[in-house]
Formats: sequence, C-alpha cells, structure tokens
Amino acid sequence: AQSVTQLGSHVSVSEGALVLLRCNYSSSVPPYLFWYVQYPNQGLQLLLKYTTGATLVKGINGFEAEFKKSETSFHLTKPSAHMSDAAEYFCAVSDENAGNMLTFGGGTRLMVKP
Amino acid sequence: EPEVTQTPSHQVTQMGQEVILRCVPISNHLYFYWYRQILGQKVEFLVSFYNNEISEKSEIFDDQFSVERPDGSNFTLKIRSTKLEDSAMYFCASRGESNQPQHFGDGTRLSIL
Repeated sequence: AQSVTQLGSHVSVSEGALVLLRCNYSSSVPPYLFWYVQYPNQGLQLLLKYTTGATLVKGINGFEAEFKKSETSFHLTKPSAHMSDAAEYFCAVSDENAGNMLTFGGGTRLMVKP
Repeated sequence: EPEVTQTPSHQVTQMGQEVILRCVPISNHLYFYWYRQILGQKVEFLVSFYNNEISEKSEIFDDQFSVERPDGSNFTLKIRSTKLEDSAMYFCASRGESNQPQHFGDGTRLSIL
C-alpha cells in the first residue's frame, strides 16, 4: 500500500522568501510522484510530476521538486514566494500496478505574508 | 487548453435521495477517475474506469455508488440513498496514456441535508 505524509498542515512565509513544502512517501514499487495546487473553490491543478529520469523536476509558476529515493522524499520548493502562491498544496503518489490511482497527502496550506 | 468539466458546481440533496454527478473528461483521454474530499480531510480515491469498466475501486466505493460512461463524452457518478456523511467535494479526473498525469475538474460540492 502506498502512503504520503506532508509535514506541516500550514506553512507561512514572507513574500520573497524561500518556500519549502515537505513530502515523504511510502511505496512498494517505483513511484510516480506529483504535486498539485488547489486555489479556493477550484480543482486540483498539476504543478509538476516525476516519473523517471532526472530527479530534479521543474514545474509551473517557478516551483520545482527533487525526488530523493534514499530519503523517500519529494519536497517542493520555490526560491521566492509571491502573494499569488497562497493556496493548498497536495503531494500525491501513484502506482502503475493499481490503475495509476492517486494517493494524496493531507495537504499543506501555504500563506504568504506581505 | 482542454479541461475536465463538472456539473453542477454545487448540489444540495435531501438524505435518502439519489444524486448523479456529471463529468466531461478531456476528449482524447482514456482513463477516468472519481475522488472525494470531505471538508478538512484528504482527497480520497473512489474509483477508476477504463475501457468501459471499473479497473480499481476503494473501500469507500460500495454498492451505494456506481459509475457510467453513457456516451462518448460523459462520465457520471451515481450515489443512491444518500447519507449525511456523503457530503463532500467530488472531483472527476482523466488522463491519457501511461505516465501522463491526471487532469482534474473543479469539483462538485455535494451537500446532504
């Protein structure tokens, strides 16, 4: 069975500061990993994904994440936060052997202070 | 850019009634999913659908639930005899071939009274 843990249900940063949202996963097979963002009253928008290949993946809006197999982590970062980054962020893992269903973490609400 | 569309955006239903949530996946996608998010909780997988049949389902997806692709475009989730605890946001998602990410709709907020 797969699982995802996001450390910190709420993270607050100042505008211009580094954003770091943590994600650790558990998977019995090589995972596919994803970060989604949810703005209020909207659906889940894909930020970035890792399937195979380069372990540092770049996504939209200046976000990137690094797959570290030894640490079973896939932390999301952005060098400089913008007010528009305030949203809920979800890390997810999927298993090709289970129809690629997504298992989500609990989410991290990012707040950006001016 | 193609989108997954869901209707209605908000559905209010009396307990015990049946409800149908509708989704139009991206047109060339092959795999379809339903997830739900109870307020304040994780997004949870319900069911996946491929080649006109269910490919995976979670423990949540019991006999109360069913899915259907009645034509070439719609993908529906039916909940029979709704309960208060069915109140949640329901998300539809679709994807293309393997390795492709799932694209989500904006969700239907279901409120059971």
